[in-house]
Amino acid sequence: DSGVTQTPKHLITATGQRVTLRCSPRSGDLSVYWYQQSLDQGLQFLIQYYNGEERAKGNILERFSAQQFPDLHSELNLSSLELGDSALYFCASSVSQAGSEQFFGPGTRLTVL
Amino acid sequence: GENVEQHPSTLSVQEGDSAVIKCTYSDSASNYFPWYKQELGKGPQLIIDIRSNVGEKKDQRIAVTLNKTAKHFSLHITETQPEDSAVYFCAASNPVGGGADGLTFGKGTHLIIQP
Repeated sequence: DSGVTQTPKHLITATGQRVTLRCSPRSGDLSVYWYQQSLDQGLQFLIQYYNGEERAKGNILERFSAQQFPDLHSELNLSSLELGDSALYFCASSVSQAGSEQFFGPGTRLTVL
Repeated sequence: GENVEQHPSTLSVQEGDSAVIKCTYSDSASNYFPWYKQELGKGPQLIIDIRSNVGEKKDQRIAVTLNKTAKHFSLHITETQPEDSAVYFCAASNPVGGGADGLTFGKGTHLIIQP
């Protein structure tokens, strides 16, 4: 158990809908990262927040957004969902902004029908 | 941006033998190289990492080597056991500007330990 929690574990929804994924980092960690894992694209970095502020963006679509709240939990919002958005979404946390170990949560499996 | 290549995609070894997984990276500014193990239905688990100021690091049966000049790094697992069967990912970190970063991952190696 990494100490990172994610909810829900599974999510099934329809095309065009909007969903919110939630992540709680390990106690004491200030950075939260979101990753997408799919069979064709592998593990891809989406976005990073550090202490409530956006720090880095990766291959995140404009339909996707995230935020980190004062209690350091983070939410990833996915809107106008398409079939191709079906994937595993992982949250990771680390103690600092960069170059420190990232610990991954168990993931949320999103299925778009 | 950074590109990480990982080989082989599948590796089958006899229990007790050694396994080696190799990765290359493209961005010479990358300075942090972690390895993750992912079992079915679980999130990636950090097993070992190395930074660019170190050439080799060992933790029990697992070791990682880094060649900065050639821009490649490798994972070595000795005395393999059935519980080592999993998908292994290498990654590289390239901090930008104020120190923010996300990991760039290889495509993964499915390690199969044959009894």
